[in-house]
Amino acid sequence: SQKIEQNSEALNIQEGKTATLTCNYTNYSPAYLQWYRQDPGRGPVFLLLIRENEKEKRKERLKVTFDTTLKQSLFHITASQPADSATYLCALDIMGFNKFYFGSGTKLNVKP
Amino acid sequence: GAGVSQSPSNKVTEKGKDVELRCDPISGHTALYWYRQSLGQGLEFLIYFQGNSAPDKSGLPSDRFSAERTGGSVSTLTIQRTQQEDSAVYLCASSLGSGNQPQHFGDGTRLSIL
Repeated sequence: SQKIEQNSEALNIQEGKTATLTCNYTNYSPAYLQWYRQDPGRGPVFLLLIRENEKEKRKERLKVTFDTTLKQSLFHITASQPADSATYLCALDIMGFNKFYFGSGTKLNVKP
Repeated sequence: GAGVSQSPSNKVTEKGKDVELRCDPISGHTALYWYRQSLGQGLEFLIYFQGNSAPDKSGLPSDRFSAERTGGSVSTLTIQRTQQEDSAVYLCASSLGSGNQPQHFGDGTRLSIL
C-alpha cells in the first residue's frame, strides 16, 4: 500500500528564514501531488499542486519541488512570517484516480 | 459564493447510537470526498463520489459506515452503532472532479463517542 511520510516533529524557525518541509512516499509515483495548510480547528486549505512531469512550481513565497527518482517533494516558504505557523499536509493522487492519500502533516512554528 | 458547509460542527453521543453527518459541497462541484482525522493524525480517506458514477467506498473502515449523495449535491455520512474508536473529526471536501483540481474542505464535524 502507499505510504506517505512527513516529519512528525514540529519545525521551529525564525521569522524571515526559509522553511523547508519534506514529503516522502513509497511505491507508486503520484500523478499529482498537492500541498495544503491546516490551522487548528479548521479544514485544510489548498496551496499548490505539482504534476509528475513538473520539477518545480512557485506561487508568491511558496515553492514546491517534485523528485520522482527520490520519491520526494519539498515545500519551501521563503521570508517566513509568524502568520505562516500552521500544519502543512501533502496529498498524493495515485495514477490520477482522484483518490487522495494524505500525510500526517508537519507543524511549522515561525517565531518573531 | 459559499464554501463547503458541514453540520453539525460538534456531536457528542453515547456508544451504540447512530449518527448522521451532513455535507453541503460547493455548487457545481462534481466530486465529493469524506475523510476522517484523528487527533494529531493525517486525513484518512473514507469515500469518494464523482458525478453519477458508483462511489469509491474502499476507505470505509467497517459496514457500520455508509454514505449517500443525493441529487449530486448534499451528502450524508452515517455511522451505525457508534464505538469509541469512531471519535474523530470527519471532514468533507468537494472539487471540480479530477486529480489536478484542488479540494475545498469544510471545517469538519468533531464527533465524540462517550
